[in-house]
Amino acid sequence: DAKTTQPPSMDCAEGRAANLPCNHSTISGNEYVYWYRQIHSQGPQYIIHGLKNNETNEMASLIITEDRKSSTLILPHATLRDTAVYYCIVGDQGAQKLVFGQGTRLTINP
Amino acid sequence: DTAVSQTPKYLVTQMGNDKSIKCEQNLGHDTMYWYKQDSKKFLKIMFSYNNKELIINETVPNRFSPKSPDKAHLNLHINSLELGDSAVYFCASRRGLAEGGTQYFGPGTRLTVL
Repeated sequence: DAKTTQPPSMDCAEGRAANLPCNHSTISGNEYVYWYRQIHSQGPQYIIHGLKNNETNEMASLIITEDRKSSTLILPHATLRDTAVYYCIVGDQGAQKLVFGQGTRLTINP
Repeated sequence: DTAVSQTPKYLVTQMGNDKSIKCEQNLGHDTMYWYKQDSKKFLKIMFSYNNKELIINETVPNRFSPKSPDKAHLNLHINSLELGDSAVYFCASRRGLAEGGTQYFGPGTRLTVL
């Protein structure tokens, strides 16, 4: 069973920042937060992950609250190609498998 | 250049047939996976292999038999196909067991059983 809770759907205007929340109130001290996305008819794509500190890469930023019970994925300037289902997953460094929940269906509108 | 590739992309077959799906990764990764995504879009792990050894088998029927001839390949053979096997099957890989949850997925194989 997924250990995360995400809103089923969100909308965002093209060019604006898309902020996707995720609750993981039962996260353990050694568990990371991973974000993946799945664009229609494609395989899931890794976006970013973090443990405690905020992280940024060329795709997105990840903000993790101090108590680590929730996080937010930020796509700073959303484009139409960012329309996808976004999955928030928790697992430890040696996680043998990813447990996907239902994710958030993000729609970027022109 | 494709990191994780699968063949075929589409597979349509009759109930009761036996079919195989192939997966190859050119990333030099040690660990490979098979996932199943059903019509409701739930994505669930089926198997995982590390250095050709089976390490995860998520209570998948015996009709499903993964085979890893080498670290770069993980094939999925399905016997006596059933209607409920219709789904999209994704192969994935990651560098090693201690490398965290960063996995790289293939494009998927859409299996339709008639």
